[in-house]
Amino acid sequence: KNEVEQSPQNLTAQEGEFITINCSYSVGISALHWLQQHPGGGIVSLFMLSSGKKKHGRLIATINIQEKHSSLHITASHPRDSAVYICAVGGTSYGKLTFGQGTILTVHP
Amino acid sequence: EAQVTQNPRYLITVTGKKLTVTCSQNMNHEYMSWYRQDPGLGLRQIYYSMNVEATDKGDVPEGYKVSRKEKRNFPLILESPSPNQTSLYFCASSRTGKLSPLHFGNGTRLTVT
Repeated sequence: KNEVEQSPQNLTAQEGEFITINCSYSVGISALHWLQQHPGGGIVSLFMLSSGKKKHGRLIATINIQEKHSSLHITASHPRDSAVYICAVGGTSYGKLTFGQGTILTVHP
Repeated sequence: EAQVTQNPRYLITVTGKKLTVTCSQNMNHEYMSWYRQDPGLGLRQIYYSMNVEATDKGDVPEGYKVSRKEKRNFPLILESPSPNQTSLYFCASSRTGKLSPLHFGNGTRLTVT
């Protein structure tokens, strides 16, 4: 079993839909990162969380430390949101990062 | 402009020919790290550095070396590349290795024949 599990692996949506991507982890963590990677492109950090909830524009990230679970929400999705979304957890041994396998999101107009 | 710069972007080499992929950041970040990305396996950490002269192994360090002699640079060295090191490599930095957002370079696509 992987230490970091994302679901779903693939997600297709229509423009305007509300989207949720989930990340579950099995180890103690210091922080959780949500990353975005566009096709052929580099990787951009969306959020870094150690507790609670963060919001940036149409994106919201939450984390529940007790349940070892985080969610990334996209409100009013748009085709430009089409990308791979990756969850990464930083362990209690600072510096090490473990990644989920990524969620491929496609938003159709 | 704050950035992490990797070079080269693309590299094709032959088995056994030593190579270095450079990574430089201009944000005075303490933490730097290398990752490889492979289809079906996702991103995996190779090495990381919490500060100058402090490096540690990630999950897949075999076949790689790193050094951190100065804060801004963190080169990845493949002393004897093999075809199974064909991959997309990313360097990243953050202010600290603890609770700081990551900044990624644009990636280096390496092919070893």
